[in-house]
Amino acid sequence: DGGITQSPKYLFRKEGQNVTLSCEQNLNHDAMYWYRQDPGQGLRLIYYSQIVNDFQKGDIAEGYSVSREKKESFPLTVTSAQKNPTAFYLCASRTNAYNEQFFGPGTRLTVL
Amino acid sequence: QKEVEQNSGPLSVPEGAIASLNCTYSDRGSQSFFWYRQYSGKSPELIMSIYSNGDKEDGRFTAQLNKASQYVSLLIRDSQPSDSATYLCAVRDNTDKLIFGTGTRLQVFP
Repeated sequence: DGGITQSPKYLFRKEGQNVTLSCEQNLNHDAMYWYRQDPGQGLRLIYYSQIVNDFQKGDIAEGYSVSREKKESFPLTVTSAQKNPTAFYLCASRTNAYNEQFFGPGTRLTVL
Repeated sequence: QKEVEQNSGPLSVPEGAIASLNCTYSDRGSQSFFWYRQYSGKSPELIMSIYSNGDKEDGRFTAQLNKASQYVSLLIRDSQPSDSATYLCAVRDNTDKLIFGTGTRLQVFP
């Protein structure tokens, strides 16, 4: 069953803690993306990777880090430097031929 | 600053009517345009892609693109209550990133 999976679905974090959000895809897509969505706002790009072992900052990369060691996996770490991390985090991957992005189910992060 | 603009709504239409959702974009060089549907609490789902001027139809959905006017729209025919959602317009820029609008909330009432 092909698709994009994200875990966990819900995550609670205490202030000062780093947390890592998982994103896995078995669609053989080269490019993967992380977005953040806040209520009433559009999706904002955090980081993206077009190929293994390479990634670029998006519009709001401060306080986040990523790695891309495998084609299938693109984990996002929300560090304690991110001052307002409570949000809905969405991972996407892009088809190689048609540039269409498909989203995983998302992780809802809440800072306590 | 590249921008994608949408009316936030809500757009309310009766069941069976045509819903018309509109989007304008600022980057004249954009070549790829997408419509996503997002139900409350869920992730966006791609419903239409359009790359050239004119209309593209898929079932009850029609996407319309006018690059000269920098305008893209989505028509939903025979609207159903299950179409009630937020519709996001996205435009691919020349760095291969998608720029999203803030979405239009559609309400279809019985």
